[in-house]
Amino acid sequence: DVKVTQSSRYLVKRTGEKVFLECVQDMDHENMFWYRQDPGLGLRLIYFSYDVKMKEKGDIPEGYSVSREKKERFSLILESASTNQTSMYLCASSEGASGDAEAFFGQGTRLTVV
Amino acid sequence: DQQVKQNSPSLSVQEGRISILNCDYTNSMFDYFLWYKKYPAEGPTFLISISSIKDKNEDGRFTVFLNKSAKHLSLHIVPSQPGDSAVYFCAASASTGNTPLVFGKGTRLSVIA
Repeated sequence: DVKVTQSSRYLVKRTGEKVFLECVQDMDHENMFWYRQDPGLGLRLIYFSYDVKMKEKGDIPEGYSVSREKKERFSLILESASTNQTSMYLCASSEGASGDAEAFFGQGTRLTVV
Repeated sequence: DQQVKQNSPSLSVQEGRISILNCDYTNSMFDYFLWYKKYPAEGPTFLISISSIKDKNEDGRFTVFLNKSAKHLSLHIVPSQPGDSAVYFCAASASTGNTPLVFGKGTRLSVIA
């Protein structure tokens, strides 16, 4: 059974804290993605990676960074958390070098910044 | 500018009837389309996909139709069941160049018993 696992289901952090969201996949997929989901805005792409140590900015990268030191792990970092980063964060992975592959999602991390 | 649009934020259907969810796209490079289903507090799960070489793909109660000239696709669920109540996201990508999926804003489907 394919699996994308996010380290936390729920997280509460204070404004200004550095926050790490971890994601691990066991499918040996090349591609990994971080999205955030907000009501009325759908899923918006933050960052993605096609290979170890590679990263590409998505549509809303400001205030975030990522790390991919191993193929199976993709971390999202909020450098200094702010209340407008309160959201549902979704990690996904997909295989292959072409865009016609489904993405598998983790269960999501509901982050609240207070 | 939104490349994938789901213009209906919500849809309510009676159990047993057909649910039709619509999606429009603007990028003519998109040639692969997917539908995902999402329950609250869970990640999206893949439902069905279609390549631009087809105009229809069917999987059990779910059928996706693609009209390339109109840049429009739709998901039909027949018959609708209460367990189908969820948010449905349309997504698209260009198969050449390994571009990430681009998602619409979603449509919340409520199936009423």
